[in-house]
Amino acid sequence: EAGVAQSPRYKIIEKRQSVAFWCNPISGHATLYWYQQILGQGPKLLIQFQNNGVVDDSQLPKDRFSAERLKGVDSTLKIQPAKLEDSAVYLCASSLARVTDTQYFGPGTRLTVL
Amino acid sequence: AQSVTQPDIHITVSEGASLELRCNYSYGATPYLFWYVQSPGQGLQLLLKYFSGDTLVQGIKGFEAEFKRSQSSFNLRKPSVHWSDAAEYFCAVGARSSASKIIFGSGTRLSIRP
Repeated sequence: EAGVAQSPRYKIIEKRQSVAFWCNPISGHATLYWYQQILGQGPKLLIQFQNNGVVDDSQLPKDRFSAERLKGVDSTLKIQPAKLEDSAVYLCASSLARVTDTQYFGPGTRLTVL
Repeated sequence: AQSVTQPDIHITVSEGASLELRCNYSYGATPYLFWYVQSPGQGLQLLLKYFSGDTLVQGIKGFEAEFKRSQSSFNLRKPSVHWSDAAEYFCAVGARSSASKIIFGSGTRLSIRP
């Protein structure tokens, strides 16, 4: 069974530029998550989708971050414009549906903002 | 709202020695509890999870954890560590009332002394 795929693996941009990350979840997984993991910290949930609807985006900085999940499968997370403090690893995870279902994580995208 | 604390930022143990990583949670009812491991350059992998029933939970790679309600703890243990166990370990807590959202601790980095 294929795991969660993410691209790119690494990205370096200058502040005020825009960037987009892509995630392909495990086939059949209804729930998709985007996490931000700053160096030395645990992952912080940015947004959670159930199929193509948003369940929780309370910690998403909506003035600069946006995310979509077209057709309830792939998802894209965008930052525009980026700030220095956005430097982090962005993790995508997917699960079947419930909190008791295991979340499977992708390898992440390491973003460096200069 | 639920929260989780991992009091140890970094622990070093000798290969073959026993290991215990501490995790304390805050939640008004019985939570869902998880331990994840993150090896360098890899995504998070679930080690074990507790939902209900037997308070001693067995996981993968020889790890176990014990839920102690009176101490609000869910410590991770392994009787004999291997060099390959060197990684970052994250405790996470989920609320039974929320839809699939879990909160991660800040992590404990484990180093193995040869």
